[in-house]
Parts: sequence; C-alpha cells; structure tokens
Amino acid sequence: QVQLVQSGAEVKKPGASVKVSCKASGYTFTSYGVSWVRQAPGQGLEWMGWISGYNGNTDYAQNLQDRVTMTIDTSTNTSYMELRSLRYDDTAVYYCARGSWHDSWGQGTLVTVSS
Amino acid sequence: QSVLTQPPSASGTPGQRVTISCSGHSSNIGNNVVNWYQQLPGAAPKLLIFSNSQRPSGVPDRFSGSKSGTSASLAISGLQSEDEADYYCGTWDDSLNGRVFGGGTKLTVL
Repeated sequence: QVQLVQSGAEVKKPGASVKVSCKASGYTFTSYGVSWVRQAPGQGLEWMGWISGYNGNTDYAQNLQDRVTMTIDTSTNTSYMELRSLRYDDTAVYYCARGSWHDSWGQGTLVTVSS
Repeated sequence: QSVLTQPPSASGTPGQRVTISCSGHSSNIGNNVVNWYQQLPGAAPKLLIFSNSQRPSGVPDRFSGSKSGTSASLAISGLQSEDEADYYCGTWDDSLNGRVFGGGTKLTVL
C-alpha cells in the first residue's frame, strides 16, 4: 500500500532553516509528484508547492517561492522540503502528499518556531 | 482569507443528509476540477472526492460531490457519528498558478 513517512518534529529559532523529509513506498516514485501542504494551529490547509518525482521540476506557491526549496532523491524515494528564514507564523504541521490531487498523505511533521 | 469560500460549520443528526458548499471564481473552480478532503480530529487529511464527483476506492457511496459553474458541493447522506470531521475543498487557480483550498467546514453530528 502507498505510504508516506515523514521526519520527526522540529523546534527552530526565528531566522533558522528547517528541512523535512518524506519517504515514499508502495508505488513507483518517479510516476508521481509530491506536494507539500502546511496547516497552522487551528487553521486550514495551505499549499506550499509541488515537485515532480520524475525530473525534479518544481512549482512553488507565490508567497513562499523566495524561502522554500523542494528536492527529491530517487535512489531512496524521498522528497525534501526546506524552508528558510523561519518566522513565528511558520509554526505549523507540514504534510507531504502524493501527486497533484493529494491522494495519499504523510503523517505530518510539527515545526515550531520559537525563541 | 481563503481563496475558496466554505461555511465554517455544518451540523446534522444521524441518518440525515448534509451538504457543504465551496464557492470560487472562474480562475479556479470555474475552470478546474475540485477535490474534497476529510480531516478527522488529530489526523492527516484524506482524499474523499476527486475530479468533482469521483470517489477513491474505499470511500463509501454516502459521500458524493458535484460542481456547477464556480461552485462545488459535498453531500453526505446517512450521516454517521464517525463523519464528524473538518472538510476542505481544493482546486487549481489559474491566476495564482497554484493549488488553493477552502477555509474548511467543521461538521458536527448532533
């Protein structure tokens, strides 16, 4: 079965960077992209961007494109999302999801930005 | 402020039929397919409806989706207590060149 397993919770200071991983299994990694979606505490879903599992092409949300980088490692079927210059309002649960339609989701990674 | 507009809450009693609306614009719902997601308390979202009205394998036929113009709807018939969750609509927005979500609707089963 399709599984996306994410890295563990992180606590970061303002201005720092965080890198979250998402390891895929149960399907052909290069046949699907990986989307990243975040959810601030008590808030709704926010799409951050998408990366092709085939060639690493990316598409980022306009409000994050200066601070986010998504990468893939096809040798380990893993996708990464790095967010730089962290701010307090970046505190959220970060999810990876398969494809553009998000038909399978990771368990989420809580990133807390705190001084 | 979400690009897609959903009512913040909805409710119903067991066995009832409830609908949740999702309103957008020509640049998003009007020109692209809509998906619906269910998020149970403390869990990751789950794809409930894709391509306006299609159910992934394993989703009960009590859940149905529709789209007309710049609006979409999710209907849940035969409401059950385990349907208590947050529901989100999502689609692509041609103007923003990105995926957008509604603000979410919290469904309470009374």
